[in-house]
Amino acid sequence: EDKVVQSPLSLVVHEGDTVTLNCSYEVTNFRSLLWYKQEKKAPTFLFMLTSSGIEKKSGRLSSILDKKELFSILNITATQTGDSAIYLCAVEGGNEKLTFGTGTRLTIIP
Amino acid sequence: DGGITQSPKYLFRKEGQNVTLSCEQNLNHDAMYWYRQDPGQGLRLIYYSQIVNDFQKGDIAEGYSVSREKKESFPLTVTSAQKNPTAFYLCASSSGANVLTFGAGSRLTVL
Repeated sequence: EDKVVQSPLSLVVHEGDTVTLNCSYEVTNFRSLLWYKQEKKAPTFLFMLTSSGIEKKSGRLSSILDKKELFSILNITATQTGDSAIYLCAVEGGNEKLTFGTGTRLTIIP
Repeated sequence: DGGITQSPKYLFRKEGQNVTLSCEQNLNHDAMYWYRQDPGQGLRLIYYSQIVNDFQKGDIAEGYSVSREKKESFPLTVTSAQKNPTAFYLCASSSGANVLTFGAGSRLTVL
C-alpha cells in the first residue's frame, strides 16, 4: 500500500521566518510528487517533481525531491501571513492514482 | 473563467437520507475525481472517472455512488449505507496528467 507521511503536522512561526516542510513516501513505481496549498477550501497546485536534485522554484517557495532517500522538502523563505495554509503532499505511483499525506498546517504570526 | 463548481457548499442531512453533491467543470478535462477530507487524515479517493460513462472505485467507495453521463458533470451520492458521512468532500478534475484542479468543496454534516 502506498504511503505518504508529512512532518511536522503543524508549525507556527513568525512573519519573516524561513520554514521547511517535509514529505516522505513509500510507493510502488514512483511517477511524480506534487505539492498543493489549501488555504480555506480548494487546494491549489504548487509544484510537481519527477527528477531527483532538480529544484523547482516559484517566488519565495521552492521544492526538491530525493528519489534515493524517498522524500521531498518544501521551503518557504521570508514567510508572510498569506502563507498560512495547509500544505499537502501527494505521490503518484504505478497505479496512476495520487496518495495524499495528512498535510502540514502552517500558521504565520504577524 | 474555467474551473470546477461544487454545490451545495454546506449540507445537513438526517440519518438514513441519501444526498447528492454536485460537481461541474468547464475545463474540458477528461478525468474527474471525488475525495473525502477528514481532520488529521489525508485526502482519500472515493471514486474517479477517466472518461464519460465509465468510473472506478477508489479506496473508500463503500456507501457512495457516482455517475458520469456528461463530460462536465460527476455527481456523488452519499447513501444511507455510509456509516460516517460527516466530512468535507472535494471534487477535482485533470486533463489526463496528474495535476488536479479542485473545486471549493462541500461540507456535509449528518444530524
